[in-house]
Amino acid sequence: SQTIHQWPATLVQPVGSPLSLECTVEGTSNPNLYWYRQAAGRGLQLLFYSVGIGQISSEVPQNLSASRPQDRQFILSSKKLLLSDSGFYLCAFTGRQGARNTEAFFGQGTRLTVV
Amino acid sequence: AQSVTQLDSHVSVSEGTPVLLRCNYSSSYSPSLFWYVQHPNKGLQLLLKYTSAATLVKGINGFEAEFKKSETSFHLTKPSAHMSDAAEYFCVVRGGYSTLTFGKGTMLLVSP
Repeated sequence: SQTIHQWPATLVQPVGSPLSLECTVEGTSNPNLYWYRQAAGRGLQLLFYSVGIGQISSEVPQNLSASRPQDRQFILSSKKLLLSDSGFYLCAFTGRQGARNTEAFFGQGTRLTVV
Repeated sequence: AQSVTQLDSHVSVSEGTPVLLRCNYSSSYSPSLFWYVQHPNKGLQLLLKYTSAATLVKGINGFEAEFKKSETSFHLTKPSAHMSDAAEYFCVVRGGYSTLTFGKGTMLLVSP
């Protein structure tokens, strides 16, 4: 079966420190991968998506970056965190490119607090 | 281009009464539509999806939604609310092979 793992679940980091959130997928190959940030009352904002290894699209300019070193691994990073980076981050995947009617599967999320 | 509008940021119901969460969408393609539920500090769980088959879609936990192309709507309903239904609900559209677009969410509050 298809599963997605995201860690850590919670993270408290000082301003200016680096960030690395990791997401891995099992049970599927060549998935589309996504990073979302969720702020209260504002729904989910798409940060990055990837249709293949090394292929990253950024939806909004920001202090974050993403990488996809392997087919089923997606990493969200920052060199220096800002207070405004605090939020709830969700990783997700959908079925292989072209399967447009497939739903997205979500990780359990990471609550990031920058202090 | 595609977009989703969830018409209510909060909906309050009493336990045992019907639930209606409204969603309107726009899409340049024949869309796929989804409803997700999220409990606090958790990931999103799929409730149901519409993918151009039957317009009335049944999901988990007694929820269902009806796709109405003429009204560009995909409202979520449940005949009788339960306390455990209290959560945030997201309507999502996917047109063609594009990415998913989320509504801003509707918080469902259920009182005893």
